[in-house]
Amino acid sequence: LAKTTQPISMDSYEGQEVNITCSHNNIATNDYITWYQQFPSQGPRFIIQGYKTKVTNEVASLFIPADRKSSTLSLPRVSLSDTAVYYCLVGQGYGQNFVFGPGTRLSVLP
Amino acid sequence: SQTIHQWPATLVQPVGSPLSLECTVEGTSNPNLYWYRQAAGRGLQLLFYSVGIGQISSEVPQNLSASRPQDRQFILSSKKLLLSDSGFYLCAWSPAGVTLYNEQFFGPGTRLTVL
Repeated sequence: LAKTTQPISMDSYEGQEVNITCSHNNIATNDYITWYQQFPSQGPRFIIQGYKTKVTNEVASLFIPADRKSSTLSLPRVSLSDTAVYYCLVGQGYGQNFVFGPGTRLSVLP
Repeated sequence: SQTIHQWPATLVQPVGSPLSLECTVEGTSNPNLYWYRQAAGRGLQLLFYSVGIGQISSEVPQNLSASRPQDRQFILSSKKLLLSDSGFYLCAWSPAGVTLYNEQFFGPGTRLTVL
């Protein structure tokens, strides 16, 4: 399984862009990179997924360099409601290949 | 559309008592089903997953067990709870089959406190 490393916590202010980087040095050829968001006392919610280069949706952007050994989740103009834990997952398929690490606790301040 | 239900929402149980948590999914057939546990301030730990009725894979040795008596029903059980079983239990589902693109959808969770 590809192990991921993320910062434990980050602070930001409203209106700023937030970039959370995840390291996954032993990512496999068929692995996708997936990010989830979790609010307190709720289940995680899918944000974005990608394989290489850049992926963008209405919520975030995901940047993946050519070597795929890291990825960066970019949240544009965060608000207080973006305060949550963000998880980076690397794997494919289902079951044991889907491993959640401790995540990054993002605190957005007014 | 698909929905996932879990109950109860909260549960307080004494040590040594049995446990039964239920999860049901609507609006899809033959989903992959998962049970996770999250200790306070920690990440999610995958406990069990199932790709079909009666097919259960266990990820972590513990005093918990899982069963899938129906296609869209997943049950987490214990005969005797331990203090260490306290946590936030989440059920999740993903579309049937093994796919490279795999999004999991989580239920609202059950907060279990063992005293």
